[in-house]
Amino acid sequence: GDSVTQMEGPVTLSEEAFLTINCTYTATGYPSLFWYVQYPGEGLQLLLKATKADDKGSNKGFEATYRKETTSFHLEKGSVQVSDSAVYFCALSDQAGGTSYGKLTFGQGTILTVHP
Amino acid sequence: DTAVSQTPKYLVTQMGNDKSIKCEQNLGHDTMYWYKQDSKKFLKIMFSYNNKELIINETVPNRFSPKSPDKAHLNLHINSLELGDSAVYFCASSQRLAGGDTQYFGPGTRLTVL
Repeated sequence: GDSVTQMEGPVTLSEEAFLTINCTYTATGYPSLFWYVQYPGEGLQLLLKATKADDKGSNKGFEATYRKETTSFHLEKGSVQVSDSAVYFCALSDQAGGTSYGKLTFGQGTILTVHP
Repeated sequence: DTAVSQTPKYLVTQMGNDKSIKCEQNLGHDTMYWYKQDSKKFLKIMFSYNNKELIINETVPNRFSPKSPDKAHLNLHINSLELGDSAVYFCASSQRLAGGDTQYFGPGTRLTVL
């Protein structure tokens, strides 16, 4: 079945440091890929997504590129802020018309803490 | 306006009790979901509904029974609660029953079974 693997956390960085959170996936066909973020005490919200190979999703300074050849969707940010402290989830779903009916399969989440 | 809302936010109860969690979305979406987040933050889908019809039942025990009275509501009833049911339950919705669509999550209901 489909699966998503994220780098182990927690990740602790100083403000303005460069962030990379690795994400690789296993899926049949060509899934859609997502990064969701969960701030403390809140639900998940979409950070960015990409629905086909070589697409780059970006939002709030975060970027991730859909790499079909390496089955990866690594999250990057050039300069993190204290307000970026949260749990980050990589996820996939099948494409429109797929037989998984849009269900999200999540990675295990990576806790990011950014210190001033 | 809250797009996806859940009640209650916290639920503490004894083993063996029956409880319900309610979810409402005001986005006009066709599809709603329940996810379970365990103590290690791992998220797994439980159910999805499209236009009040059950689409996904991800091998969840029969003690869990979702009900969708209309497209905007998806409730979760749990019978005979067990310690292992302690988790955060998230409701979500999407425009369509289709991969690639963004899912919008509620704030979660933290269930603690004593």
